[in-house]
Amino acid sequence: NAGVTQTPKFRILKIGQSMTLQCTQDMNHNYMYWYRQDPGMGLKLIYYSVGAGITDKGEVPNGYNVSRSTTEDFPLRLELAAPSQTSVYFCASSFDRATGRNEKLFFGSGTQLSVL
Amino acid sequence: AQSVTQLDSHVSVSEGTPVLLRCNYSSSYSPSLFWYVQHPNKGLQLLLKYTSAATLVKGINGFEAEFKKSETSFHLTKPSAHMSDAAEYFCVVRGNTGTASKLTFGTGTRLQVTL
Repeated sequence: NAGVTQTPKFRILKIGQSMTLQCTQDMNHNYMYWYRQDPGMGLKLIYYSVGAGITDKGEVPNGYNVSRSTTEDFPLRLELAAPSQTSVYFCASSFDRATGRNEKLFFGSGTQLSVL
Repeated sequence: AQSVTQLDSHVSVSEGTPVLLRCNYSSSYSPSLFWYVQHPNKGLQLLLKYTSAATLVKGINGFEAEFKKSETSFHLTKPSAHMSDAAEYFCVVRGNTGTASKLTFGTGTRLQVTL
């Protein structure tokens, strides 16, 4: 059982480049999330999804896009990378189908992105 | 509206001594509260959670936290620190809105454990 898998682990982009951060989970969770973590700050929610075909903005969505075509995958796209997007990105999933509760988040190991 | 304040950005303890990581919360609703731990270069892992049941919550690795409504606090404690406890700890609050999208993370407390 792999849990939540993120790729790549590290990436350096030039300003204006685009890229997709991949996230997949094998726990059949219907909730998935993207967070960014900046030094000295808590995690900020970028986008989330409550199920395949449904996505919604979080706290800091500008400059990002997401899609959710399957239960397992939730990629995050940066269209025009900017230095302000230098951060560590975490994908997470949740949902306990037995109880209907979605409180426990399972996190991937993160993607460290630098935009220069 | 909800918020969480971790009162210390850095805590240093000796191995074998008690750990106290402080967290105060603010919430318009009856909150759910969590502590997550992040080891270097890893994702966050749930330590424990409070969801309006017992006010003293026991988590993994010997950690526990007590919900005190009168003090709006949810401090994390452990009787005896171990070297492996060195990590970043996040206090998290969720308002009673029914979706995990409403989680608010604290800024984190880095725990250092020395010999």
